[in-house]
Amino acid sequence: DTGVSQNPRHKITKRGQNVTFRCDPISEHNRLYWYRQTLGQGPEFLTYFQNEAQLEKSRLLSDRFSAERPKGSFSTLEIQRTEQGDSAMYLCASSSAKRYKGRINEKLFFGSGTQLSVL
Amino acid sequence: SQQGEEDPQALSIQEGENATMNCSYKTSINNLQWYRQNSGRGLVHLILIRSNEREKHSGRLRVTLDTSKKSSSLLITASRAADTASYFCATVSPYNQGGKLIFGQGTELSVKP
Repeated sequence: DTGVSQNPRHKITKRGQNVTFRCDPISEHNRLYWYRQTLGQGPEFLTYFQNEAQLEKSRLLSDRFSAERPKGSFSTLEIQRTEQGDSAMYLCASSSAKRYKGRINEKLFFGSGTQLSVL
Repeated sequence: SQQGEEDPQALSIQEGENATMNCSYKTSINNLQWYRQNSGRGLVHLILIRSNEREKHSGRLRVTLDTSKKSSSLLITASRAADTASYFCATVSPYNQGGKLIFGQGTELSVKP
Protein backbone atom coordinates (compact mmCIF):
# COMPACT_ATOMS: atom_id res chain seq x y z
CA ASP A 1 0.00 0.00 0.00
CA THR A 2 1.84 3.06 -1.25
CA GLY A 3 -0.93 5.55 -0.47
CA VAL A 4 -2.52 8.06 -2.82
CA SER A 5 -0.08 9.39 -5.39
CA GLN A 6 -0.44 12.67 -7.26
CA ASN A 7 1.61 13.98 -10.16
CA PRO A 8 3.07 16.41 -10.71
CA ARG A 9 3.74 17.91 -7.27
CA HIS A 10 4.11 21.37 -8.72
CA LYS A 11 2.93 22.90 -11.98
CA ILE A 12 3.65 26.41 -13.22
CA THR A 13 1.81 27.48 -16.33
CA LYS A 14 0.90 30.58 -18.23
CA ARG A 15 -2.63 31.89 -18.34
CA GLY A 16 -4.59 30.32 -21.17
CA GLN A 17 -2.67 27.05 -21.22
CA ASN A 18 -4.23 23.66 -20.48
CA VAL A 19 -2.98 21.53 -17.60
CA THR A 20 -3.65 17.94 -16.56
CA PHE A 21 -3.09 16.35 -13.18
CA ARG A 22 -3.03 12.68 -12.36
CA CYS A 23 -4.12 10.83 -9.24
CA ASP A 24 -3.42 7.18 -8.42
CA PRO A 25 -5.64 6.11 -5.51
CA ILE A 26 -5.06 3.26 -3.08
CA SER A 27 -5.62 0.19 -5.22
CA GLU A 28 -8.63 -1.35 -3.50
CA HIS A 29 -10.49 1.95 -3.02
CA ASN A 30 -13.57 2.39 -5.16
CA ARG A 31 -14.18 6.06 -4.43
CA LEU A 32 -12.02 8.92 -5.61
CA TYR A 33 -12.43 12.61 -4.78
CA TRP A 34 -10.94 15.85 -6.07
CA TYR A 35 -10.67 18.91 -3.83
CA ARG A 36 -9.19 22.35 -4.32
CA GLN A 37 -7.52 24.30 -1.53
CA THR A 38 -6.32 27.90 -1.48
CA LEU A 39 -3.98 29.36 1.11
CA GLY A 40 -5.49 29.63 4.56
CA GLN A 41 -8.70 27.85 3.58
CA GLY A 42 -10.08 24.38 3.99
CA PRO A 43 -10.36 22.06 0.99
CA GLU A 44 -13.36 22.64 -1.26
CA PHE A 45 -15.08 19.69 -2.91
CA LEU A 46 -14.89 19.53 -6.70
CA THR A 47 -16.07 16.10 -7.79
CA TYR A 48 -16.10 12.42 -6.92
CA PHE A 49 -16.16 9.04 -8.64
CA GLN A 50 -17.42 5.68 -7.58
CA ASN A 51 -15.46 3.26 -9.72
CA GLU A 52 -15.52 4.87 -13.18
CA ALA A 53 -18.78 6.78 -12.71
CA GLN A 54 -18.61 10.48 -11.90
CA LEU A 55 -21.47 10.81 -9.43
CA GLU A 56 -21.27 14.40 -8.26
CA LYS A 57 -19.79 17.66 -9.48
CA SER A 58 -19.59 20.90 -7.53
CA ARG A 59 -20.83 24.15 -8.99
CA LEU A 60 -17.23 25.26 -8.49
CA LEU A 61 -16.31 22.99 -11.38
CA SER A 62 -16.77 25.26 -14.38
CA ASP A 63 -16.92 24.04 -17.98
CA ARG A 64 -13.17 24.50 -18.17
CA PHE A 65 -12.67 21.68 -15.69
CA SER A 66 -13.07 18.03 -16.57
CA ALA A 67 -12.26 14.91 -14.63
CA GLU A 68 -12.13 11.31 -15.73
CA ARG A 69 -11.54 7.93 -14.19
CA PRO A 70 -11.61 5.72 -17.28
CA LYS A 71 -11.08 2.28 -15.80
CA GLY A 72 -12.04 2.95 -12.23
CA SER A 73 -8.40 3.17 -11.21
CA PHE A 74 -6.38 6.36 -11.74
CA SER A 75 -8.05 9.70 -12.40
CA THR A 76 -7.11 12.84 -14.31
CA LEU A 77 -8.24 16.41 -13.75
CA GLU A 78 -7.84 18.76 -16.70
CA ILE A 79 -8.17 22.52 -16.60
CA GLN A 80 -8.52 24.22 -19.96
CA ARG A 81 -7.63 27.86 -20.63
CA THR A 82 -6.24 28.35 -17.16
CA GLU A 83 -6.88 31.60 -15.30
CA GLN A 84 -4.94 33.14 -12.44
CA GLY A 85 -7.84 32.32 -10.14
CA ASP A 86 -7.19 28.64 -10.76
CA SER A 87 -3.97 28.87 -8.76
CA ALA A 88 -4.43 26.51 -5.83
CA MET A 89 -3.48 23.16 -4.39
CA TYR A 90 -5.46 20.36 -6.05
CA LEU A 91 -5.94 17.42 -3.72
CA CYS A 92 -7.02 13.91 -4.56
CA ALA A 93 -8.40 11.48 -2.01
CA SER A 94 -9.69 7.94 -2.08
CA SER A 95 -11.78 5.78 0.18
CA SER A 96 -13.35 2.39 0.55
CA ALA A 97 -16.88 2.94 1.75
CA LYS A 98 -17.97 0.69 4.60
CA ARG A 99 -21.50 0.46 5.97
CA TYR A 100 -22.28 0.72 9.69
CA LYS A 101 -25.88 0.19 10.70
CA GLY A 102 -27.05 1.07 7.24
CA ARG A 103 -24.94 4.21 6.93
CA ILE A 104 -21.64 4.66 5.23
CA ASN A 105 -18.89 6.01 7.44
CA GLU A 106 -15.66 6.46 5.66
CA LYS A 107 -12.42 8.25 6.11
CA LEU A 108 -10.53 9.70 3.19
CA PHE A 109 -6.89 9.10 2.35
CA PHE A 110 -5.34 12.15 0.72
CA GLY A 111 -2.44 12.53 -1.66
CA SER A 112 0.16 15.25 -1.20
CA GLY A 113 -1.54 17.41 -3.81
CA THR A 114 -0.53 19.26 -6.96
CA GLN A 115 0.30 22.93 -6.44
CA LEU A 116 -0.77 24.89 -9.50
CA SER A 117 0.54 28.39 -10.17
CA VAL A 118 -0.94 30.28 -13.11
CA LEU A 119 1.17 33.25 -14.19
CA SER B 1 -18.85 26.33 0.19
CA GLN B 2 -17.64 25.73 3.72
CA GLN B 3 -19.86 23.87 6.16
CA GLY B 4 -18.67 25.45 9.33
CA GLU B 5 -16.28 27.54 11.25
CA GLU B 6 -13.38 26.68 13.43
CA ASP B 7 -12.22 28.50 16.46
CA PRO B 8 -9.62 29.74 17.07
CA GLN B 9 -8.15 30.38 13.63
CA ALA B 10 -4.68 30.19 15.14
CA LEU B 11 -3.39 28.80 18.43
CA SER B 12 0.12 28.97 19.87
CA ILE B 13 1.08 26.93 22.91
CA GLN B 14 4.11 25.49 24.67
CA GLU B 15 5.09 21.85 24.45
CA GLY B 16 3.33 19.81 27.12
CA GLU B 17 0.24 22.02 27.21
CA ASN B 18 -3.16 20.93 25.99
CA ALA B 19 -4.67 22.33 22.79
CA THR B 20 -8.39 22.67 22.25
CA MET B 21 -9.96 23.45 18.89
CA ASN B 22 -13.64 23.98 18.26
CA CYS B 23 -15.76 23.41 15.19
CA SER B 24 -19.30 24.54 14.48
CA TYR B 25 -21.39 23.39 11.57
CA LYS B 26 -24.70 24.37 10.04
CA THR B 27 -26.66 21.33 8.86
CA SER B 28 -27.38 17.84 10.15
CA ILE B 29 -24.59 15.31 9.84
CA ASN B 30 -23.94 11.60 9.47
CA ASN B 31 -20.50 11.89 10.97
CA LEU B 32 -17.81 14.45 11.72
CA GLN B 33 -14.14 13.91 11.11
CA TRP B 34 -10.93 15.68 12.07
CA TYR B 35 -7.91 15.89 9.79
CA ARG B 36 -4.41 17.26 10.20
CA GLN B 37 -2.39 18.95 7.47
CA ASN B 38 1.28 19.75 7.63
CA SER B 39 2.38 22.73 5.57
CA GLY B 40 2.20 22.06 1.84
CA ARG B 41 1.09 18.46 2.29
CA GLY B 42 -2.09 16.44 2.03
CA LEU B 43 -4.49 15.84 4.88
CA VAL B 44 -4.23 12.96 7.31
CA HIS B 45 -7.31 11.49 8.98
CA LEU B 46 -7.24 11.65 12.78
CA ILE B 47 -10.60 10.53 14.10
CA LEU B 48 -14.23 10.01 13.06
CA ILE B 49 -17.21 10.47 15.37
CA ARG B 50 -20.70 9.39 14.34
CA SER B 51 -23.79 11.50 14.91
CA ASN B 52 -25.02 9.19 17.68
CA GLU B 53 -21.73 9.35 19.58
CA ARG B 54 -20.81 12.04 22.09
CA GLU B 55 -17.14 11.42 22.80
CA LYS B 56 -14.29 9.49 21.31
CA HIS B 57 -10.65 8.97 22.20
CA SER B 58 -7.61 8.03 20.17
CA GLY B 59 -4.25 8.20 21.89
CA ARG B 60 -3.71 11.81 22.94
CA LEU B 61 -6.79 12.95 21.03
CA ARG B 62 -10.23 13.45 22.50
CA VAL B 63 -13.17 14.51 20.35
CA THR B 64 -16.59 15.55 21.57
CA LEU B 65 -19.73 16.08 19.55
CA ASP B 66 -22.84 18.03 20.56
CA THR B 67 -25.42 17.68 17.81
CA SER B 68 -27.90 19.93 19.64
CA LYS B 69 -25.40 22.78 19.42
CA LYS B 70 -23.98 21.61 16.08
CA SER B 71 -20.48 21.74 17.47
CA SER B 72 -17.44 19.57 18.07
CA SER B 73 -14.16 19.98 19.85
CA LEU B 74 -10.76 18.38 19.43
CA LEU B 75 -8.46 18.19 22.44
CA ILE B 76 -4.80 17.29 22.03
CA THR B 77 -3.24 16.51 25.37
CA ALA B 78 0.46 16.88 26.26
CA SER B 79 1.20 18.54 22.95
CA ARG B 80 4.50 18.07 21.13
CA ALA B 81 6.35 20.21 18.60
CA ALA B 82 5.46 17.57 16.00
CA ASP B 83 1.76 18.42 16.51
CA THR B 84 2.37 21.76 14.77
CA ALA B 85 0.00 21.70 11.80
CA SER B 86 -3.39 22.89 10.58
CA TYR B 87 -6.39 20.99 11.90
CA PHE B 88 -9.66 20.74 10.00
CA CYS B 89 -13.05 19.43 10.91
CA ALA B 90 -15.17 17.97 8.14
CA THR B 91 -18.76 16.80 8.05
CA VAL B 92 -20.69 14.25 6.04
CA SER B 93 -24.35 14.87 5.33
CA PRO B 94 -26.85 12.06 5.97
CA TYR B 95 -28.45 12.97 2.64
CA ASN B 96 -25.33 12.45 0.60
CA GLN B 97 -24.66 8.92 -0.60
CA GLY B 98 -21.13 9.63 -1.64
CA GLY B 99 -19.55 10.34 1.70
CA LYS B 100 -18.47 13.77 0.47
CA LEU B 101 -16.65 15.76 3.17
CA ILE B 102 -17.34 19.45 3.70
CA PHE B 103 -14.43 21.10 5.47
CA GLY B 104 -14.15 24.00 7.83
CA GLN B 105 -11.50 26.67 7.44
CA GLY B 106 -9.13 25.12 9.94
CA THR B 107 -7.16 25.99 13.04
CA GLU B 108 -3.44 26.59 12.69
CA LEU B 109 -1.69 25.11 15.73
CA SER B 110 1.86 26.04 16.66
CA VAL B 111 3.55 24.10 19.47
CA LYS B 112 6.75 25.67 20.67
CA PRO B 113 9.49 23.51 22.19
